[in-house]
Amino acid sequence: DVVMTQSPLSLPVTLGQPASISCRSSQSLVHSDGNTYLNWFQQRPGQSPRRLIYKVSNRDSGVPDRFSGSGSGTDFTLKISRVEAEDVGVYYCMQGTHWPPRLTFGGGTKVEIK
Amino acid sequence: QVQLVESGGGVVQPGGSLRLSCAASGFTFSSYGMHWVRQAPGKGLEWVAFIRYDGSNKYYADSVKGRFTISRDNSKNTLYLQMNSLRAEDTAVYYCAKRSGTAIDYWGQGTLVTVSS
Repeated sequence: DVVMTQSPLSLPVTLGQPASISCRSSQSLVHSDGNTYLNWFQQRPGQSPRRLIYKVSNRDSGVPDRFSGSGSGTDFTLKISRVEAEDVGVYYCMQGTHWPPRLTFGGGTKVEIK
Repeated sequence: QVQLVESGGGVVQPGGSLRLSCAASGFTFSSYGMHWVRQAPGKGLEWVAFIRYDGSNKYYADSVKGRFTISRDNSKNTLYLQMNSLRAEDTAVYYCAKRSGTAIDYWGQGTLVTVSS
């Protein structure tokens, strides 16, 4: 099974400053069709997850452009260029390349304001 | 807009059963595969099960295989999760989620299942 490892576990950030979250997979996420199915989700306190990024770097509709995704192979990064108060929450990466039979999530990174 | 509304959660004793439902609207339900994902209190996300748009293929996490059954009724735009032989470690918020390619795009608000004596 593919294991997704996120770091750091917790990320205290000053408002207006950048933030960066790492996600590493135990196997390459390059699919046989040439795409890389790495997604990022945001879960604000008390809310359901919301997808921010799909296929490494594509922002979903309505996602602010301060969020960006990058990476390849087994190493991926979610960056927030300038953290705002509404960005507080837990961020998860998820791979869909080695599916079926199962989707795999990273353990999550909690973003909080210093 | 896409709406997914889960129901059926509650408190159940170990060894008991529960059936969750997810009412879908805002998209052509019969054209999309659907997932169940759960989140134990204070923990991360765990994928549970998937069913193809026509119900022809189903996949399960090892942790629930043989105990949980995913199904759907496309005439009612509803997804189900039948949970049997429940254990304390099944305590979680259960989300239904819409398939998007090899991923998930939309999530419901979740329903809480508590397994306790």
